Amino acid sequence: QSVLTQSLSASGTPGQRVIISCSGSSSNIGSNSVFWYRQLPGTAPKLLIYNNNQRPSGVPDRFSGSKSGTSGSLAISGLRSEDEADYYCAAWDDTLTGPVFGGGTKLTVL
Amino acid sequence: QVQLVQSGAEVKKPGSSVKVSCKASGGTFISDAISWVRQAPGQGLEWMGVIIPIFGTADYSQRFQDRVRITADESTSTAYLELSSLRSEDTAVYYCAIPYGGSNSVYYDDWGQGTLVTVSS
Repeated sequence: QSVLTQSLSASGTPGQRVIISCSGSSSNIGSNSVFWYRQLPGTAPKLLIYNNNQRPSGVPDRFSGSKSGTSGSLAISGLRSEDEADYYCAAWDDTLTGPVFGGGTKLTVL
Repeated sequence: QVQLVQSGAEVKKPGSSVKVSCKASGGTFISDAISWVRQAPGQGLEWMGVIIPIFGTADYSQRFQDRVRITADESTSTAYLELSSLRSEDTAVYYCAIPYGGSNSVYYDDWGQGTLVTVSS
């Protein structure tokens, strides 16, 4: 059971905009930044969004993040087939004194 | 960019221990923190602990506190994760990663390739 809650799956057609949500609590998202990772099968996760809405260099501006209260969201616009992957949210947890992750959302491009 | 290269896959019996290594190159090993994160088959990511080699002490997830030990060898720029009293639920891919911004950061930009540990009788 993951500390952060994500929907198991999401889907969209090419060109669409998809939003993936992540729900936490006051001890993690409520008081710390949200991070988003993308993972392709058989590979390590890759950082997509940090500090709620910042993109590392090389990440296209089709990816954007936001945070409100104890929830975070990842939006992917102009959906492409190569966006099919698992997406994980993460945040520092002040009570557990460590990073916590969501269970992951599998994105399918129809 | 730091390169992290992990040791190969392991098959272990229940009740035994496993030690996974993570060799770093291209960075400042002594001052960079190194975290360990695991992922059971079809499951999410789970943080296990972190070490800053220059300090030598590690912080652990409460969930693994009594079974895990993270160490670092500065002479070889290698970090180690040792997990004891293995059970089938410990079957997972174990990743090392560098949390940029300090040991309490969630900014993981460099990851090892992962090490599959299978626990089976």
